[in-house]
Amino acid sequence: EAGVAQSPRYKIIEKRQSVAFWCNPISGHATLYWYQQILGQGPKLLIQFQNNGVVDDSQLPKDRFSAERLKGVDSTLKIQPAKLEDSAVYLCASSFDKGNVGNSPLHFGNGTRLTVT
Amino acid sequence: GNSVTQMEGPVTLSEEAFLTINCTYTATGYPSLFWYVQYPGEGLQLLLKATKADDKGSNKGFEATYRKETTSFHLEKGSVQVSDSAVYFCALLNSNSGYALNFGKGTSLLVTP
Repeated sequence: EAGVAQSPRYKIIEKRQSVAFWCNPISGHATLYWYQQILGQGPKLLIQFQNNGVVDDSQLPKDRFSAERLKGVDSTLKIQPAKLEDSAVYLCASSFDKGNVGNSPLHFGNGTRLTVT
Repeated sequence: GNSVTQMEGPVTLSEEAFLTINCTYTATGYPSLFWYVQYPGEGLQLLLKATKADDKGSNKGFEATYRKETTSFHLEKGSVQVSDSAVYFCALLNSNSGYALNFGKGTSLLVTP
């Protein structure tokens, strides 16, 4: 099966600019996650979707970050305006079943590496 | 809250050496525990998992046992290979927190010939 697709692979922007990332999950996966991985740290959940609804966005900095999954398939994550501390790898993941991740593991994309200068 | 603490890296071993990467957790209830691996230039992949106390997860020669009494899930391999060089992440899933994985900071492993 095709994996989780993300684009772009790399992005360099100046602070206060805007940026958007795209994710296409594995076909049939209802749950989609965006994680932020700062260098030297483990991934941190930003937002979790079940189909086109938000399950958890408690750690999303909503003053500058937004995400949508309008048709319940692919998703975009936007940062506007970016800050230096947003430099990180943004990982998208999907799973078949929200409620049973123990038996439906997350499949991760290769991520988008964002550098804010 | 839920959290995972991993031993700091990097860990450097010679080929065929024994590997242990320590992981301890804090959680309410009965979480599931995972090890993910990230090979250079690739995305995170599930390595193994354990969903209840005393379960042992295993894959590719790696093992980890869910120890509730010590709140630990240490990763072990008896004989590492150069191809095992990667970053290893311990993670916790707790249904009390919306089914999102909580990751440790990761431990980098370098295996030399």
